[in-house]
Amino acid sequence: AQKVTQAQTEISVVEKEDVTLDCVYETRDTTYYLFWYKQPPSGELVFLIRRNSFDEQNEISGRYSWNFQKSTSSFNFTITASQVVDSAVYFCALSEIYSGAGSYQLTFGKGTKLSVIP
Amino acid sequence: GAVVSQHPSRVICKSGTSVKIECRSLDFQATTMFWYRQFPKQSLMLMATSNEGSKATYEQGVEKDKFLINHASLTLSTLTVTSAHPEDSSFYICSARDTDGRNIQYFGAGTRLSVL
Repeated sequence: AQKVTQAQTEISVVEKEDVTLDCVYETRDTTYYLFWYKQPPSGELVFLIRRNSFDEQNEISGRYSWNFQKSTSSFNFTITASQVVDSAVYFCALSEIYSGAGSYQLTFGKGTKLSVIP
Repeated sequence: GAVVSQHPSRVICKSGTSVKIECRSLDFQATTMFWYRQFPKQSLMLMATSNEGSKATYEQGVEKDKFLINHASLTLSTLTVTSAHPEDSSFYICSARDTDGRNIQYFGAGTRLSVL
């Protein structure tokens, strides 16, 4: 069974501060995908990143960076110099790479609500 | 690219009526679409997996006669909440999985259903 844990339910930071959102996962699969999605107050989930388990290189995209540590089963997300527009709920998710059923379902964490205060 | 359109964004209906929600992939084909339900301040709960041209696969505890899913084309899936009751009030959100091999689900904007 797969499980994703986002231990931080809510985080508040002051604008321009850096913030790291934690994600720890459990899976019996040796190969898998990890994702981060952003859900702003409007409700739509916005895809941020997909990382496969083959690739442990960290990734940076503008103010966003992701730290994948297979040894600790973690896939943490850091926002540098946070902005008010970053306020949202962020979900970490996991899926298998090879799906016998062909469904490739996502297993979501419970989400972390980030509030960036001006 | 990879835009998923979901309509309506909000619906208010009387108890006993049926409500249809559409999910369209606008610029890609999606052989698989997913329907989720989200309660306030909670994560997404997968309701069913919809495969084009075949019957949907429902998660345990989801009534298939209550939540009818049709995936008639590679770009459209519909969810019909039949004989809606107040306990069906929720935020419903769909996603479509791109067939480009990257296994990314792109989400619609969601539908907030309120049953009076």
